[in-house]
Amino acid sequence: GAVVSQHPSRVICKSGTSVKIECRSLDFQATTMFWYRQFPKQSLMLMATSNEGSKATYEQGVEKDKFLINHASLTLSTLTVTSAHPEDSSFYICSARDRIVHEQYFGPGTRLTVT
Amino acid sequence: AQSVTQLDSHVSVSEGTPVLLRCNYSSSYSPSLFWYVQHPNKGLQLLLKYTSAATLVKGINGFEAEFKKSETSFHLTKPSAHMSDAAEYFCVVSLYGGSQGNLIFGKGTKLSVKP
Repeated sequence: GAVVSQHPSRVICKSGTSVKIECRSLDFQATTMFWYRQFPKQSLMLMATSNEGSKATYEQGVEKDKFLINHASLTLSTLTVTSAHPEDSSFYICSARDRIVHEQYFGPGTRLTVT
Repeated sequence: AQSVTQLDSHVSVSEGTPVLLRCNYSSSYSPSLFWYVQHPNKGLQLLLKYTSAATLVKGINGFEAEFKKSETSFHLTKPSAHMSDAAEYFCVVSLYGGSQGNLIFGKGTKLSVKP
């Protein structure tokens, strides 16, 4: 079956530093990937839609300069949290949409803790 | 606009008894609807999906859901709960129909299973 990986699975960083999270589709190609964040005991909120070879589309209220998204290939999208602050601590989940069958598959998530 | 409402934030059942997790949706289009399960600190797993075929959808682990257009509902059921079913469940509607579109998540229902 289709597998999406995320790396790292958990990361702790200091306030003011930047963190990069990778999302990879392992056995299929994805022209579109999605980034979500999930606060404790809450639902997933879509942050942005990442399209291969073009700029990401951000949801209202999401700072594009703070959450940098790069989708340079059909199997990799990265989310960089710049100048992280404690309020950015969250569970970040990506999904990738298979360009042939158009199904979305979710990664296992990355838990970010900013101290 | 598409939206989804999960009517119960928390459901508690005894092992071996039926499970009912309720979901109502609002959609301007013929919707695609999904149920996902999330175990603690884990990614999302697709339980089942409705994409305008049979209204009674069977999923994994004995779960099923029935699409009722007249009631705008897509409730998730299982005849007999197992301890391993304890998790967070999300009802999801797809924008523009099909899994091609962006996904809108409900707030989630936490299922507890008592021995």
